[in-house]
Amino acid sequence: KAGVTQTPRYLIKTRGQQVTLSCSPISGHRSVSWYQQTPGQGLQFLFEYFSETQRNKGNFPGRFSGRQFSNSRSEMNVSTLELGDSALYLCASSLARGTGELFFGEGSRLTVL
Amino acid sequence: AQSVTQPDIHITVSEGASLELRCNYSYGATPYLFWYVQSPGQGLQLLLKYFSGDTLVQGIKGFEAEFKRSQSSFNLRKPSVHWSYSAEYLCAVWVPTGANNLFFGTGTRLTVIP
Repeated sequence: KAGVTQTPRYLIKTRGQQVTLSCSPISGHRSVSWYQQTPGQGLQFLFEYFSETQRNKGNFPGRFSGRQFSNSRSEMNVSTLELGDSALYLCASSLARGTGELFFGEGSRLTVL
Repeated sequence: AQSVTQPDIHITVSEGASLELRCNYSYGATPYLFWYVQSPGQGLQLLLKYFSGDTLVQGIKGFEAEFKRSQSSFNLRKPSVHWSYSAEYLCAVWVPTGANNLFFGTGTRLTVIP
């Protein structure tokens, strides 16, 4: 069974640009969550999608958005990039909501110059 | 507010030594508890979880963790470590309130010297 797949793995952008990251969950998993990981802040929850609807959202500005498609694949978008957005963005999927048992992808490493 | 504390930022042990990584949480009730491991440049792999029942739980790779309600702790243990276990270990709790359901500690970086 394939794991959670995130693309791209690495990318470099400049301030002011926007970026879209993609996540394909484990087959059969309908919940997808996104986390931002930085050395200073650790892992911080961005949002969770289930059945194409955003169910939870963390404390991030509106520049961070996401969506989920009917096949459970998810994308997140960051507009007007800032230097502080440089981070590892991790996607996680779960079979059911409300358990915390998440299966993570390898992440997308974003560097903003 | 809910919080997870991993008091040890970095631990170094020799190969073959035993290991205990500490995790304390702050929450009014018993949350669901997890330990994840993250190798450099990789995502997180679930080591073990505690939902309820037996307070000593077994996980993958021979890891175990013990939930102690009186101490609000969920410490991870391994009788003997291999150099390949060098990685970041993250404790997490899930609580059924608010938007951020899964709270992570800041992690403990483990270095195993061959």
